[in-house]
Amino acid sequence: AQRVTQPEKLLSVFKGAPVELKCNYSYSGSPELFWYVQYSRQRLQLLLRHISRESIKGFTADLNKGETSFHLKKPFAQEEDSAMYYCALGGTGRRALTFGSGTRLQVQP
Amino acid sequence: DAGVIQSPRHEVTEMGQEVTLRCKPISGHDYLFWYRQTMMRGLELLIYFNNNVPIDDSGMPEDRFSAKMPNASFSTLKIQPSEPRDSAVYFCASRGTGITNTGELFFGEGSRLTVL
Repeated sequence: AQRVTQPEKLLSVFKGAPVELKCNYSYSGSPELFWYVQYSRQRLQLLLRHISRESIKGFTADLNKGETSFHLKKPFAQEEDSAMYYCALGGTGRRALTFGSGTRLQVQP
Repeated sequence: DAGVIQSPRHEVTEMGQEVTLRCKPISGHDYLFWYRQTMMRGLELLIYFNNNVPIDDSGMPEDRFSAKMPNASFSTLKIQPSEPRDSAVYFCASRGTGITNTGELFFGEGSRLTVL
């Protein structure tokens, strides 16, 4: 069975501090990992996917198959980064995504 | 394209009443998903369709929940009778499977349901 674990419900940092949102997954096949972000009262939107290996809004995430992790990182947090972040797992032949329980990031001034 | 469109945005009802949530996927997408978001459990997959056919409904909590997709541009999620524990935000999402598909799900703005 597939599972996504986000151990922190809330992460509070000060502006300018580094951020790391943790995500671990369990999946027997070849995984596809995503990070989605939900700003206050808005729809979920894709932030980044591991396949594209891109940096979006200063965020990066590297898939570590050995540790089955896909942690989201940003070197300097901004107040506008405050949002709910969901890690999601797909895979070969899997059309639905399995989401973690989410981490709320609070960036304080 | 206006994206995935859901209605109503907000619904307040009393326990025992029937609730119908509606979704219009992005044109050309052949997969449609219904998710439920709660504080306790985050985002849970309820059911998804491929070409209007239900593929996996194992996430539907009980017989009180049902979903249909009569055509490629419309789906409903119905709760009958509703209970207070059904209070949540219900999201609809769609995706395509063409050659340019990236696996991304596109979400609607959600329907916030409150059952009193």
